[in-house]
Amino acid sequence: QSALTQPASVSGSPGQSITISCTGTGSDVGLYNYVSWYQQHPDKAPKLLISDVSARTSGVSSRFSGSKSANTASLTISGLQAEDEADYYCASYSITNTWVFGGGTKVTVL
Amino acid sequence: EVQLLESGGGLIQPGRSLRLSCTSSGFNLADHSLTWVRQAPGRGLEWLGFIASRPFGGTAEYAASVKGRFTISRDDSTRTAYLQLNNLETEDTALYYCVRHQHMTLDYWGQGTLVTVSS
Repeated sequence: QSALTQPASVSGSPGQSITISCTGTGSDVGLYNYVSWYQQHPDKAPKLLISDVSARTSGVSSRFSGSKSANTASLTISGLQAEDEADYYCASYSITNTWVFGGGTKVTVL
Repeated sequence: EVQLLESGGGLIQPGRSLRLSCTSSGFNLADHSLTWVRQAPGRGLEWLGFIASRPFGGTAEYAASVKGRFTISRDDSTRTAYLQLNNLETEDTALYYCVRHQHMTLDYWGQGTLVTVSS
């Protein structure tokens, strides 16, 4: 049950687009379309942004989008805004009937 | 409104046991699986385990890191899920969240309960 691999940090200027990668294996990300993405602001509980690779949760801005290719899923934030500064985590269901999280990515808006 | 409220955390000595509760409202707990996740101070999210809903067997699965020490159970009649933590170690110090499943997604999170293991 190794954690999914995410970059520790990603930064961008307001209005820019950034992409956060989430790399797993053929036993989790590559095998199922059950990848989800969460946003966590400081001292707050995580909030679901994207489920099933690319399904945006109701009420979440269309600036957030998800995709997947082979063993790597991605979260793209377009039109970056100051309020997007937060930690982002991916998660995937795995072949062992368990879930696994990524290590998290800190997004900084310059 | 879907709500999950964790309780039972606190300061506890190494080697002792603790039971955390997760009380639900705004939805029928019996229709959903539930997961427990923890977050150590300044660290990322760690999946601990889940318990399936009764229609899916009501059984629990655990992360290898806690299997044999942690036990998840549920009482749908009181809308409550539990996480039993045994033989606690200082490395178990974390904020513990319960999370509802919607199909294969962890959708609603509680606010967490803090467990501090220290002598």
